[in-house]
Amino acid sequence: AQSVTQLGSHVSVSEGALVLLRCNYSSSVPPYLFWYVQYPNQGLQLLLKYTTGATLVKGINGFEAEFKKSETSFHLTKPSAHMSDAAEYFCAGAGGTSYGKLTFGQGTILTVHP
Amino acid sequence: DTEVTQTPKHLVMGMTNKKSLKCEQHMGHRAMYWYKQKAKKPPELMFVYSYEKLSINESVPSRFSPECPNSSLLNLHLHALQPEDSALYLCASGPDFSTDTQYFGPGTRLTVL
Repeated sequence: AQSVTQLGSHVSVSEGALVLLRCNYSSSVPPYLFWYVQYPNQGLQLLLKYTTGATLVKGINGFEAEFKKSETSFHLTKPSAHMSDAAEYFCAGAGGTSYGKLTFGQGTILTVHP
Repeated sequence: DTEVTQTPKHLVMGMTNKKSLKCEQHMGHRAMYWYKQKAKKPPELMFVYSYEKLSINESVPSRFSPECPNSSLLNLHLHALQPEDSALYLCASGPDFSTDTQYFGPGTRLTVL
């Protein structure tokens, strides 16, 4: 069965610093991978997705992620953090034995300090 | 229209009440989902509808009853809930029941007294 692991339940950065949120997946078939952001008491908003093709995926709000099959990783980055980036981020995968379902990581809470 | 809407935004109910949550999308999506999310946890899948037919029921207690009256609308009927059912209930839709993207609504915050 597919699983998604997010390393670090909490990440803290200074405003203007690099944001790096880590996600690793396990799958016997090439997966579909997603990053979602959730602000307090709101639903999940899609940041970006990888299906096939280019391994560097650009999303909204300046975020991007790179699919690395050799490392089974799909880390999310943003060059310069903004206060408005403070939220919870979920990595999710689909495909293979998880057909029709999203498998979520446990989430990473991003705090941005002034 | 590129959004999923959910009503009500907040709901407080007693354990003997009957209430319903409503979800609507006008993106032509043929797959619709209900999730339950507890604080500081990822969403947990409850039900999936594909082309208005129930495709997945993740062993959800019968006090939760989903309904898909048409391709744009998804309801979740609630009856005899327990306090531990208090959570954020999220609806999502996707182009079809496959590995494609799911788009989430804002959720209904449910409190069971």
